Amino acid sequence: DADVTQTPRNRITKTGKRIMLECSQTKGHDRMYWYRQDPGLGLRLIYYSFDVKDINKGEISDGYSVSRQAQAKFSLSLESAIPNQTALYFCATSVSRTGGRFGETQYFGPGTRLLVL
Amino acid sequence: QKEVEQNSGPLSVPEGAIASLNCTYSDRGSQSFFWYRQYSGKSPELIMFIYSNGDKEDGRFTAQLNQASQYVSLLIRDSQPSDSATYLCAVNEENTGFQKLVFGTGTRLLVSP
Repeated sequence: DADVTQTPRNRITKTGKRIMLECSQTKGHDRMYWYRQDPGLGLRLIYYSFDVKDINKGEISDGYSVSRQAQAKFSLSLESAIPNQTALYFCATSVSRTGGRFGETQYFGPGTRLLVL
Repeated sequence: QKEVEQNSGPLSVPEGAIASLNCTYSDRGSQSFFWYRQYSGKSPELIMFIYSNGDKEDGRFTAQLNQASQYVSLLIRDSQPSDSATYLCAVNEENTGFQKLVFGTGTRLLVSP
């Protein structure tokens, strides 16, 4: 079984609809991230969470919200979807290290392809 | 916003050749650097990371870091068609004690048989 799973894998929705993308991990990592990927723009950070009580905005958080329901679950919501939110969305996880000034490896889920009509 | 720049390519090399992928970054305080490989429609997977100046080798892959010039490169020796993918460079934002990566847009590599 995959360590990081995302549901749904593909989603088509209409402008104005509320949708939720879910991420679950069995790696036991405390840190979780949501990215979106657009052609020519690369991966951009939407939100990140270092534990259940710590959630932070990333580079492009407008129009999105998140919920960290448990250490293993991190959900991304689009309150009112718009066409320019059409993208490939990735969840990622990492584990903190004591004195980790050099950063940790991030592990990515398989992605959710979202189309907003 | 810290920037990480890569040539989008495609970089075309024949099978068996050395592929050289380059990345420059704007934040002089960055201390950790990552190379991810991404096949079309798939998620990024880590190939290598490097924390200090110089070279780091892992099989056919070598990461090179030059902090004075603010660039990091990835060499792939004996390139195989299966190496055809997009390679993403990622840089940790400063010494903040946690992992917040800034990604480049990626370089597409094509290895021809």
